[in-house]
Amino acid sequence: QSALTQPRSVSGSPGQSVTISCTGTSSDVGAYNWVSWYQQYPGNAPKLIIFDVTKRPSGVPDRFSGSKSGNTASLTISRLQAEDEADYHCCSYAGRYTLVFGGGTKLTVL
Amino acid sequence: EVQLVQSGAEMKKPGESLKISCQGSGSSFTTHWIGWVRQMPGKGLEWMGIIYPGDSDTRYSPSFQGQVTISVDKSIFTAYLQWTSLQASDTAMYFCARYSDSRDYFDYWGRGTLVTVSS
Repeated sequence: QSALTQPRSVSGSPGQSVTISCTGTSSDVGAYNWVSWYQQYPGNAPKLIIFDVTKRPSGVPDRFSGSKSGNTASLTISRLQAEDEADYHCCSYAGRYTLVFGGGTKLTVL
Repeated sequence: EVQLVQSGAEMKKPGESLKISCQGSGSSFTTHWIGWVRQMPGKGLEWMGIIYPGDSDTRYSPSFQGQVTISVDKSIFTAYLQWTSLQASDTAMYFCARYSDSRDYFDYWGRGTLVTVSS
């Protein structure tokens, strides 16, 4: 059960869009439409922002969207705002009630 | 509103034992899997394992099997993460979190317990 692969960092200017990739295998990301994403500010607990690849919990802005193709899932943040600067973690179901996380991506808003 | 309240920060020496806790609110605690997630300093999240409070069914990540013990006392809506002999490499933030109804993501998180192991 290896960690999913995410870029260590991405950046964008306010108003732009950024996409964070999350690559797994045919045993996790590729096998299930059960990818979730979490936003984490320094010193805080993670917060769920996307589940089941594309769904947003109540209260999460529609600027956040998720997708998946094959073994790679993606999180896109549109109309970037300063408050989006945080760490983003992807996560996939990996069978038998287990989950696997990515290494996390630090988003910098320039 | 679901709340998971974790025990406070701990500072321990190598070789010492430790048990940290995660108390849930309400009866829904016993009907949802509770998991533990490690975050080492400056690193990503790692899924450690889960427990079902209703019957104490427990699943571990291979990386943590034998290194920690996850347990629960459903009468007080509390899950635990335990070490018998801490190492410096156990220094990390530990989060408890609740599995969703569909069991494929964590929908509620505790604030974390910082464990520092140093001689």
